[in-house]
Amino acid sequence: GQNIDQPTEMTATEGAIVQINCTYQTSGFNGLFWYQQHAGEAPTFLSYNVLDGLEEKGRFSSFLSRSKGYSYLLLKELQMKDSASYLCAEEDSNYQLIWGAGTKLIIKP
Amino acid sequence: NAGVTQTPKFRVLKTGQSMTLLCAQDMNHEYMYWYRQDPGMGLRLIHYSVGEGTTAKGEVPDGYNVSRLKKQNFLLGLESAAPSQTSVYFCASKELDSNQPQHFGDGTRLSIL
Repeated sequence: GQNIDQPTEMTATEGAIVQINCTYQTSGFNGLFWYQQHAGEAPTFLSYNVLDGLEEKGRFSSFLSRSKGYSYLLLKELQMKDSASYLCAEEDSNYQLIWGAGTKLIIKP
Repeated sequence: NAGVTQTPKFRVLKTGQSMTLLCAQDMNHEYMYWYRQDPGMGLRLIHYSVGEGTTAKGEVPDGYNVSRLKKQNFLLGLESAAPSQTSVYFCASKELDSNQPQHFGDGTRLSIL
């Protein structure tokens, strides 16, 4: 099977920068998605990477290295509302997503 | 602009009862999915559909059935509910292209006693 690994929990300070890492198995890779999920809510799409490099969207950026099977989500100027779980998901060759267990991000004032 | 709508939002069942979870999308998406989400685990795919009239098994299909009679609707059935099926169920849909994200409904919180 395919495994997606990401840290279970991270803590950061309001206004700071945090990087959430994700590693995946490279066989059948078709793209890498990041989603945000607030407690008790549905996952919402943040970013998609298929080529190596950095994709920037406002305060959020996502990076991909296909050769290393590695991605990260970078959150800048953290706000209290960024407290949520961040889900990494690999799209396989059948357009299905294989999901990591998510990283719970706690923002402290 | 409803997106993906799931009903019901909450339900409590007794062991052995059956029920159907409803999912409707108004985005004309071809692909639809049913997931379950349990604490400490990633979303796990139960069943999915690549178009009207087609369904396929995902990672954890046992104890569930699905139907996609209309393109906009994807139904998930529990034949004989078991406590192990207590979970949050999410429906999602997406367009055909590989770089398009899945869009999720708000979830159904199901408890089996």
